[in-house]
Amino acid sequence: DIQMTQSPSSLSASVGDRVTITCRASQSISTYLNWYQQKPGKAPKVLIYGASNLQSGVPPRFSGSGSGTDFTLTISSLQPEDFAIYFCQQSDSPPWTFGLGTKVEV
Amino acid sequence: QVQLVESGGALVKPGGSLRLSCAVSGFSFSDYYMSWIRQAPGKGLEWISYISSSGNTVNYAASVKGRFAISRDNAKNSLYLQINRLRAEDTAVYYCARDVLEYTYGSRWFDPWGQGTLVTVST
Repeated sequence: DIQMTQSPSSLSASVGDRVTITCRASQSISTYLNWYQQKPGKAPKVLIYGASNLQSGVPPRFSGSGSGTDFTLTISSLQPEDFAIYFCQQSDSPPWTFGLGTKVEV
Repeated sequence: QVQLVESGGALVKPGGSLRLSCAVSGFSFSDYYMSWIRQAPGKGLEWISYISSSGNTVNYAASVKGRFAISRDNAKNSLYLQINRLRAEDTAVYYCARDVLEYTYGSRWFDPWGQGTLVTVST
C-alpha cells in the first residue's frame, strides 16, 4: 500500500497568513493526489484534484503543486472559514490512502 | 442538486451485522463508480471499498476484505454496504462518496460525500 505522510500534523495561523501543508507519498504517484478539507461534524470536501486542479467553486486562494512523491497545498491568505483539517489522498493505485491530516487552528 | 444520504448506522455488539444504505439523487447514478470511506472517532480517513458503475467490479481494503460486501441497485439509485462479524475497531462514521474520474489524465477523486452514518460496536 502507498503510505501518505502529511506535515505538520497541526499548525497555528492567523487570518491573512500564507499557509503551506506538505504531503509525501511512499512511492511515486505522478500527479494522482487530491486534497480535502473537513470541518467539525461535516464530511470532507475536495479542494484540489490531480495535484494542482482547483475544484469548481473552491476559492482561488487554495492551490496545489507537486508530482512524484512530494506535494504541497497552499492557502495564500487564510480566511476565518479555512480553519479546518486538511487531508491528502492518493489515487494512483488501490487501496486509495489518505494522509493523517493537518489541523489548521488559530 | 447532487445528494448522498447514508442510513443504517447503529449500536451493535461485537460479532453482529449491519447493512448500510446510501440513497443518491441529482446525478446519473448508474454512470459512476461509488465508494465507502470510514472515519473512526477523532481519527483519519480510511477508504474501504469501491464498486464499478455496473456493479461487476468491486475492491476492498485488506482490513475489511471477507467481512464487508459492497453492492448497488442502479434501478433504486442506491448503494449498500453489508458489514459482518463486527469488531470494536469498526466503530466509525461511514461515508458514501461518488468516484469522479477525469479521463484525460486519469485523475480520480471523491465528490461529493454523504453526511455519514455512525456505526458503534460495543457490548
